[in-house]
Order: sequence, then structure tokens, then C-alpha cells
Amino acid sequence: SQQGEEDPQALSIQEGENATMNCSYKTSINNLQWYRQNSGRGLVHLILIRSNEREKHSGRLRVTLDTSKKSSSLLITASRAADTASYFCATDGRGVSGGYQKVTFGIGTKLQVIP
Amino acid sequence: DGGITQSPKYLFRKEGQNVTLSCEQNLNHDAMYWYRQDPGQGLRLIYYSQIVNDFQKGDIAEGYSVSREKKESFPLTVTSAQKNPTAFYLCASRGGLAEQFFGPGTRLTVL
Repeated sequence: SQQGEEDPQALSIQEGENATMNCSYKTSINNLQWYRQNSGRGLVHLILIRSNEREKHSGRLRVTLDTSKKSSSLLITASRAADTASYFCATDGRGVSGGYQKVTFGIGTKLQVIP
Repeated sequence: DGGITQSPKYLFRKEGQNVTLSCEQNLNHDAMYWYRQDPGQGLRLIYYSQIVNDFQKGDIAEGYSVSREKKESFPLTVTSAQKNPTAFYLCASRGGLAEQFFGPGTRLTVL
């Protein structure tokens, strides 16, 4: 079972517009992370938000976290064609032996930015 | 250069064969992970290891095996018991409770 679920699964926007992706998860977490993947490549970390944080910014990225609703959103402002990629959220949940090392991913949002 | 490497990049296997995928990191990370990604899908956790000589099953461990004899290395064996092994396999490592670092992936195809 996957911990996170992204919404929407696919998103197509014009360059310059903002893109918003949402992620919901099921169990308690230590932190939530967003990653980007270009087709056929490994994942690249974008931003990490801890469970006691509500909002975080990094350049054109803004992430929010609502632990009461078990949801997060990723906003990319002023999108560029180079932002075209798949975006995933990941959460670390408690593993069988304790600790927060079990990191699971959602199914992702495929973003297309049209020049 | 610090990083995480996977080899080979492409791997072809005949049905009934076991194959081992390599993952090495020099980031001094305690935790390492294996994920499987099918076309157009998210990542599913196969196995993870929090420390040397310890590993835990993920969500889809059946048909796979791992070992963690060294901190730097976390090889994954895809056994003949895995009925549908064709997929993109990603390895990652993590220091503490920080972000994960991913390798470039191995694409496995069963002929």
C-alpha cells in the first residue's frame, strides 16, 4: 500500500502560470518531502517539511502541510517549460522496528508546462 | 564526489534466472532503500535497511531479497519467484531523518 496519493494525476498549464499539486497520506509522519523526476531518471529532492511546520518556501516552490487533514500541497509559481516532470510526495512512517525510516511515495503528478 | 550509484543501467534477464542489482553510496548514510517503478506509476517500496546487518520488508518484498553487509552497499536480488520483474528499480540512501538521495536507476527487462 502506498502512503501518499497525489492529486491531480496529470496537469497541463501554460508557461508563466502557477501549478498546484496536492498530496494526502494516511498515518502519522515525521516529515513530508517532495521530489521531482524527469522521465527515466532518478528522483531529485525539492523540499522537506517537518510535521511541526505549516509552510515552507524554496525559490519558486511553496509547500504547505496540514497534519490535521493529513495533506500537503506543492505550489510552483511562474512555471517554465523546464518544470515539465513528474512530482512525488513522500512520507516517513514508523517501520516495524520503530523509527521513521520507512519512506513511501505517492503515485505522482505528471506536470506538463507548455511554452 | 559524494553520491549514490547503481549498476548496471540496463539489465536483461531470461525467465527463471536470478539477477542482482548493485547499489553503492559514499554519503555515509545509515539507511538505504529499494523501490520499484512501473511505467506511469509511483514508487513502491521493496526493502529498506536502517543500519548495517538489518533490513525490513517494504510493501512488495515477495520475490526479492537483499543483504546489508557493508554500510556502503545494499544489493537487491530479483529471484525467479518474482512473477513480473520487468520494471525500473531505484535505490536511495538517507542520513538521519533528512531527504533521500537517489541513484540513476536500473531498468530490468525479462525476455
